[in-house]
Amino acid sequence: AQTVTQSQPEMSVQEAETVTLSCTYDTSENNYYLFWYKQPPSRQMILVIRQEAYKQQNATENRFSVNFQKAAKSFSLKISDSQLGDTAMYFCAVYMNRDDKIIFGKGTRLHILP
Amino acid sequence: EPEVTQTPSHQVTQMGQEVILRCVPISNHLYFYWYRQILGQKVEFLVSFYNNEISEKSEIFDDQFSVERPDGSNFTLKIRSTKLEDSAMYFCASSDSGRPGQETQYFGPGTRLLVL
Repeated sequence: AQTVTQSQPEMSVQEAETVTLSCTYDTSENNYYLFWYKQPPSRQMILVIRQEAYKQQNATENRFSVNFQKAAKSFSLKISDSQLGDTAMYFCAVYMNRDDKIIFGKGTRLHILP
Repeated sequence: EPEVTQTPSHQVTQMGQEVILRCVPISNHLYFYWYRQILGQKVEFLVSFYNNEISEKSEIFDDQFSVERPDGSNFTLKIRSTKLEDSAMYFCASSDSGRPGQETQYFGPGTRLLVL
């Protein structure tokens, strides 16, 4: 079965620290895309970062970067210089191109403390 | 592990037609949600539902949309008159708590809607 696992239900870090959110997935497909979404209490989902599985280079978007380990099926999100506004629920998701299916993890609740 | 299911997995319809997307949430969950993903990237919140009422909705969720829990197990999203821009992947989710930022949402696998 295709699954996405976020092993950290909740995390807290001090403002300005670096935090890493883990995500592992299981798929037999070779052609897929990985996403991290941020969901604040408003419930709107904000795309944080996107990675194509065929690209070896890790995606980076300002303070957000990923560590994509394809062989290990791991896709962790690193937030550098964390800010209070980063407090939110973060979802990892994998889109399988062949099946046209996207699987979400159960989320990691991140608290940035002043 | 319990899971949210959705049917159909794919739906093709003509513009102006009505569609109903179906979801079976996890059995002891009381809070239900619909989201959609446009263009393979952006995910939009549509609506949340609790105790047979809409508790929150986004500006996308206009009069063309409605939700219903017809029989205690299904949770449906109806689009009355589909538009081309309604083409998206629609996700249902459920949780046992409704406090934003506190609940754990379980997502279904999605229904791909294509409006022609």
